[in-house]
Amino acid sequence: AQSVTQPDIHITVSEGASLELRCNYSYGATPYLFWYVQSPGQGLQLLLKYFSGDTLVQGIKGFEAEFKRSQSSFNLRKPSVHWSDAAEYFCAVGAEVLTGGGNKLTFGTGTQLKVEL
Amino acid sequence: EPEVTQTPSHQVTQMGQEVILRCVPISNHLYFYWYRQILGQKVEFLVSFYNNEISEKSEIFDDQFSVERPDGSNFTLKIRSTKLEDSAMYFCASRETHSNQPQHFGDGTRLSIL
Repeated sequence: AQSVTQPDIHITVSEGASLELRCNYSYGATPYLFWYVQSPGQGLQLLLKYFSGDTLVQGIKGFEAEFKRSQSSFNLRKPSVHWSDAAEYFCAVGAEVLTGGGNKLTFGTGTQLKVEL
Repeated sequence: EPEVTQTPSHQVTQMGQEVILRCVPISNHLYFYWYRQILGQKVEFLVSFYNNEISEKSEIFDDQFSVERPDGSNFTLKIRSTKLEDSAMYFCASRETHSNQPQHFGDGTRLSIL
C-alpha cells in the first residue's frame, strides 16, 4: 500500500528566507509524486509533479522539488519565501494505472507554513 | 484556465437526511474522483470513476455512498443517510486520459451534519 509522511506539522519562516518541506513516501514501484497547496477555505492547487526523467522538477510560484529514490523523498523547496506563501502544503503519491481508471492519490497529513514578516 | 467547479460551497443537513454534492469536472477529462478531508485531518480518497463505473473505492465508501454521472457534465456524490461523522470538506477532482496527468481539484463543499 502506498503512504506518505510529512514529518513537519507546522513550519515558520521569515519572509525572504529559504524553505524546505519534507516528504517521504512508501510505494512498491516508481511513484507519481505531487505537491499541492491549500489556502484557507480553498481547494487544492497543484504546485508541481514528478513522473519520470529529471529528478529536479520546477513548479509554479517559484517552487521546486527533488525526487530522491534512495531516500524515498520528494522535498519541496523555495529559495525565498513570500508572505503570500503561507498556506498548508500537501505531498501526495499516486500510481500508474494503465487501464480502467483508478490512480487514486494518497496524501500526507500536510505541513502548515507560517511566514513572519 | 479550465476549473473543476463544486456546488454548493457549504451544505448544512440534519443527520439522517440525504445529501447530494455536485461537481462539474473539466470538460475533456475522463477520470473523476471524490476525496474528503475531515477538519484537521488529511485528505482521504473515497472513489474513482471512469467510463460510467466505479474503478476503485476506499473502505470509507460504504453502501451509504453512491456516485453518478447523470449527464455529460455533472458528477455527483450522494450520501443516503448522513451521520455526524460525515461532516467534512468534500473535494471533487478530475484528470485527462493519461495517468501521468495530474488530478485537478475543485474548491470543495463543506458538509456540516447537525
